[in-house]
Amino acid sequence: AQKVTQAQTEISVVEKEDVTLDCVYETRDTTYYLFWYKQPPSGELVFLIRRNSFDEQNEISGRYSWNFQKSTSSFNFTITASQVVDSAVYFCALSEAPGAGSYQLTFGKGTKLSVIP
Amino acid sequence: GAVVSQHPSRVICKSGTSVKIECRSLDFQATTMFWYRQFPKQSLMLMATSNEGSKATYEQGVEKDKFLINHASLTLSTLTVTSAHPEDSSFYICSARDWGDTQYFGPGTRLTVL
Repeated sequence: AQKVTQAQTEISVVEKEDVTLDCVYETRDTTYYLFWYKQPPSGELVFLIRRNSFDEQNEISGRYSWNFQKSTSSFNFTITASQVVDSAVYFCALSEAPGAGSYQLTFGKGTKLSVIP
Repeated sequence: GAVVSQHPSRVICKSGTSVKIECRSLDFQATTMFWYRQFPKQSLMLMATSNEGSKATYEQGVEKDKFLINHASLTLSTLTVTSAHPEDSSFYICSARDWGDTQYFGPGTRLTVL
C-alpha cells in the first residue's frame, strides 16, 4: 500500500524567510511519480511539480526547489524568500508509474503554510 | 495549458434534489478523470475513477447509485449527486489526467444541501 506523510500540519514564517515542507512516502513500486500541489484559500489545486522515481536530480523553479532523496524516501519542498502569496495548503502526492494501473494519487494530509507580512 | 474547468463553482439545493457537476479538460484530452471530495481542513478523498466510454470505478464506501458518474467524451465528465442530503454538503473536486500522467485539478464545486 502507498502512503504519504506530511508531518508538519501547520507552519508560520515571516515574509522573506525560507521554509521547507517535508514529505516522506512509502511504496512497494520500483517506479512511481511524486507530486506537489498548492491549494490556496480559493480551493483550486495548482500543480507545482512531478518527479519520476528514476530521476533523483533536484529541481529549482524560481523561488521553489525540490529535494528528492530515494534513500530516505523523501521529497521535500523549499520556498526561498517566502511571500504572502505563498500562503496556502501544500499537498505532497504519490502515484503509480505508467502502465501500472489507474494513476490514482495518494495524498498526504497537507501542510498549511502561513506567511506573515 | 492543462486547464480543467468545473461548473458550477457553488450550488445550494434543497434536500432530496439532484445536482449535476461538470468537469471539462479545456486544452487536452483526458482518458481518465477523477472525482474527489474534500472536507474542511482535510486532504482529498478519492471517490471514483472515470474512464472515457466505460463505467466508473468507485472507491470503497462510495455509493455508486448516489454519485452517478458519466464520462461521455475525452474532455467531459459529470458527477450527479442524486437525492442530496445535508451530509452530502462538501467541496467536490475533479481532476483530469493528461498524456504525461499528471493530474490537473478543476477549481472545485462547493455543494450546500439545505
